[in-house]
Amino acid sequence: DTGVSQNPRHKITKRGQNVTFRCDPISEHNRLYWYRQTLGQGPEFLTYFQNEAQLEKSRLLSDRFSAERPKGSFSTLEIQRTEQGDSAMYLCASLRATRELFFGEGSRLTVL
Amino acid sequence: SQQGEEDPQALSIQEGENATMNCSYKTSINNLQWYRQNSGRGLVHLILIRSNEREKHSGRLRVTLDTSKKSSSLLITASRAADTASYFCATDVQGAQKLVFGQGTRLTINP
Repeated sequence: DTGVSQNPRHKITKRGQNVTFRCDPISEHNRLYWYRQTLGQGPEFLTYFQNEAQLEKSRLLSDRFSAERPKGSFSTLEIQRTEQGDSAMYLCASLRATRELFFGEGSRLTVL
Repeated sequence: SQQGEEDPQALSIQEGENATMNCSYKTSINNLQWYRQNSGRGLVHLILIRSNEREKHSGRLRVTLDTSKKSSSLLITASRAADTASYFCATDVQGAQKLVFGQGTRLTINP
C-alpha cells in the first residue's frame, strides 16, 4: 500500500457515457499526476497539479477529458462521451519531495 | 511521447539467475528511476539514480547510469519467482515537471 487511493478500481461503461475517477494522494505531497497506460505499454503522462493548480496538460488530454483538484487535496478525472479508445488503466500518483512517484492501484476503464 | 526505450521487451530466466534490463533515453536528465509493476496493479518505485551518480545499490538491485551514452541498466541478482513483473525506467527530464516512462521489460522468473 503506497498510501495513494484510487476509486473505482474497475469501471465498465457503454460508449458515449461519462465516467469519473477519483484519486486521494498522500496528504503531504503537493504534486499529483495522472497517467494513462494501455496493455503492454508504459504509463503516458496526462496532466499534473501543484496543489489546486493544473500546471500542465498533455496533448493526449482531449476536450472530453477534464481533471480537477479542488482545495489541493483529492483529484478527479472525468471523461465525457467515452469512446472505445479510452479503454485503459488510469493511474494517479503523488510526488515526494525527493522526486519519486507514489502510484495508486489504478482505475481500469473498459468502454463497450 | 515516451523517451525511454527498454531492452529487452521480455526476459525469461530461471530462479536464482541474474536479470539485466537496459534503458536508453534521449535528453538531459536530473535523475533516472526504475519502477516495478505486477500485473493489473500500480507501479512501485524501486530506485533512483541522480545524473551525477554512476552506480547505486539497493538490496538485490544494482543500477548503473552512463550519461554520456544516455543509458541505464538494472540488475536483479539471485532472482526469485516473486520478481516476476514488468519493470519500467522513468526519466526526470531537465526542464520538465514530469517523469517520462519507457515501454517496460516483462520479466518472468521460472521456478
